[in-house]
Amino acid sequence: AQKVTQAQTEISVVEKEDVTLDCVYETRDTTYYLFWYKQPPSGELVFLIRRNSFDEQNEISGRYSWNFQKSTSSFNFTITASQVVDSAVYFCALSEEWAQKLVFGQGTRLTINP
Amino acid sequence: DAGVIQSPRHEVTEMGQEVTLRCKPISGHDYLFWYRQTMMRGLELLIYFNNNVPIDDSGMPEDRFSAKMPNASFSTLKIQPSEPRDSAVYFCASSFRQGDGTQYFGPGTRLLVL
Repeated sequence: AQKVTQAQTEISVVEKEDVTLDCVYETRDTTYYLFWYKQPPSGELVFLIRRNSFDEQNEISGRYSWNFQKSTSSFNFTITASQVVDSAVYFCALSEEWAQKLVFGQGTRLTINP
Repeated sequence: DAGVIQSPRHEVTEMGQEVTLRCKPISGHDYLFWYRQTMMRGLELLIYFNNNVPIDDSGMPEDRFSAKMPNASFSTLKIQPSEPRDSAVYFCASSFRQGDGTQYFGPGTRLLVL
């Protein structure tokens, strides 16, 4: 069965600090897809990134970076020089088939204090 | 391009009443998903459709819940009769198998059953 664990329920840091959100997943499939979504206080779910299981290259997008390690079944998300606008709940999710259902972690509530 | 559209955005009803939630997926997307978000259970998949056909409804809580997709641009999730424990945020999402495979979410319907 597939499972996603986000062990950090809440994180609080001061603005400009770097912060890493952890995500550990379980799946029996060799092909799978990992996602991160952001849920700001307004409530919508915003897609951030998708990663395929056969592509372990790390990705950087501005202040955001993602570290995918199959050896440890982890897909961690780092925000560099955090800003107050980064405050949100962040969800990691797993799909075992292209374009199909997602299994979500419980989410990490990130608070960036000015 | 318009994203996933959901209506209503907020719904307050009394126990025992029928509730109908509506969703319009992104044009051209062939998968449609209904998720529910609660504090206790997090984000969980209720049902999903492919080309208007229900594929997996194993997440539907009980017979009080039903979902339909009469055409490619419209889906409904109905709760009859509603109960207080149905209070949650209901999200609709869509994806395109021949595209990037990412699920894009609507803004959600916040349901409160008194």
